[in-house]
Amino acid sequence: NAGVTQTPKFQVLKTGQSMTLQCAQDMNHNSMYWYRQDPGMGLRLIYYSASEGTTDKGEVPNGYNVSRLNKREFSLRLESAAPSQTSVYFCASSELLSSYNSPLHFGNGTRLTVT
Amino acid sequence: DQQVKQNSPSLSVQEGRISILNCDYTNSMFDYFLWYKKYPAEGPTFLISISSIKDKNEDGRFTVFLNKSAKHLSLHIVPSQPGDSAVYFCAAHSRGAQKLVFGQGTRLTINP
Repeated sequence: NAGVTQTPKFQVLKTGQSMTLQCAQDMNHNSMYWYRQDPGMGLRLIYYSASEGTTDKGEVPNGYNVSRLNKREFSLRLESAAPSQTSVYFCASSELLSSYNSPLHFGNGTRLTVT
Repeated sequence: DQQVKQNSPSLSVQEGRISILNCDYTNSMFDYFLWYKKYPAEGPTFLISISSIKDKNEDGRFTVFLNKSAKHLSLHIVPSQPGDSAVYFCAAHSRGAQKLVFGQGTRLTINP
């Protein structure tokens, strides 16, 4: 049981380049999320998808787009990377959207550096 | 505007002793709180939670205390073990909100 799988694990981009971070979960969860973790800032929500076919902005959506490809997969795209997007990105899933008995399950993260 | 604050970036505790990690919040609408634990190069994993209708929840060596009047929660680990060395995040959820709000994290180091 793999849980939440993210690819790639590491990535270096030049300013202005684009890339897509992939995420897949095998727990049949309805909701999926993208977070970024920066030193001293904790985890901040970028986008989330309450269920297949829906996506919504989180706290820090600027510069990102997402696609909920199907129930299993939720991708995050950086169209024109900027140094401020250097961060560790975590994908997460939960059975229900931010429900009390539905804790988040996280992937192992993608460390992105933008030069 | 940090609604959930963990004011101690790091904490060092001797093995076998009690570890106490603290978290303060400002939003009185928060009604559910969680602690996550994170090892290096891994994602956070859920540890324990507490509803605002309770003031204590216990799970083995881990106990979370909630003081609503002070808007403060704490995680107690007794006894502390080397495997507890990790970063701990507290998170809060408010009814009707679509997201958890996370604190900055506290790095706990358990010394042998």
